[in-house]
Amino acid sequence: DAKTTQPPSMDCAEGRAANLPCNHSTISGNEYVYWYRQIHSQGPQYIIHGLKNNETNEMASLIITEDRKSSTLILPHATLRDTAVYYCIVRGLPLDQTGANNLFFGTGTRLTVIP
Amino acid sequence: DGGITQSPKYLFRKEGQNVTLSCEQNLNHDAMYWYRQDPGQGLRLIYYSQIVNDFQKGDIAEGYSVSREKKESFPLTVTSAQKNPTAFYLCASSMSGIGTDTQYFGPGTRLTVL
Repeated sequence: DAKTTQPPSMDCAEGRAANLPCNHSTISGNEYVYWYRQIHSQGPQYIIHGLKNNETNEMASLIITEDRKSSTLILPHATLRDTAVYYCIVRGLPLDQTGANNLFFGTGTRLTVIP
Repeated sequence: DGGITQSPKYLFRKEGQNVTLSCEQNLNHDAMYWYRQDPGQGLRLIYYSQIVNDFQKGDIAEGYSVSREKKESFPLTVTSAQKNPTAFYLCASSMSGIGTDTQYFGPGTRLTVL
């Protein structure tokens, strides 16, 4: 799976959009971009994923650049409950299709939403 | 209410004791996973199971054992052979174990060895 690079921390004012960047310059054609977040001492929560096109759901939007080397997770109206560590993960099919379909979590971006 | 449950939330054990962590899911998922998370670090895969009665070692399986006798249950035993068992343990499941199916996580169990 391709490696990702995220800033270690970001702040965002409550009610404003939070834009979390992720670089994945070595991504290959069949690899998806996934975003999870983890609030302190809880299990990771799935947010959104995409392959090429931009995606939107009730939680967030995912913008993937045309060359797919970077992406941005957008929380349109951040609340205090969005304070968490956000993980950008790139993953594709295991080469032999029988390997673990596991996730490689890095250190993520610690987002702090400020009142 | 569909989801993944883990119990207990906090667990304390003495050195030399085995302990079993519970993971149950009612999502009808075929695949289940166990991860370990240490402070300030990402997740590391311990074991995974793609189907009932079958499981595979992950990256750090030494000192751990699992069983998958039922589709909805995937208990993890931390044995006395695990040298540094204090950690946050996370269970996850996905529809299948092949491909890029989304994994959904339980709330975690924090194990402390005294």
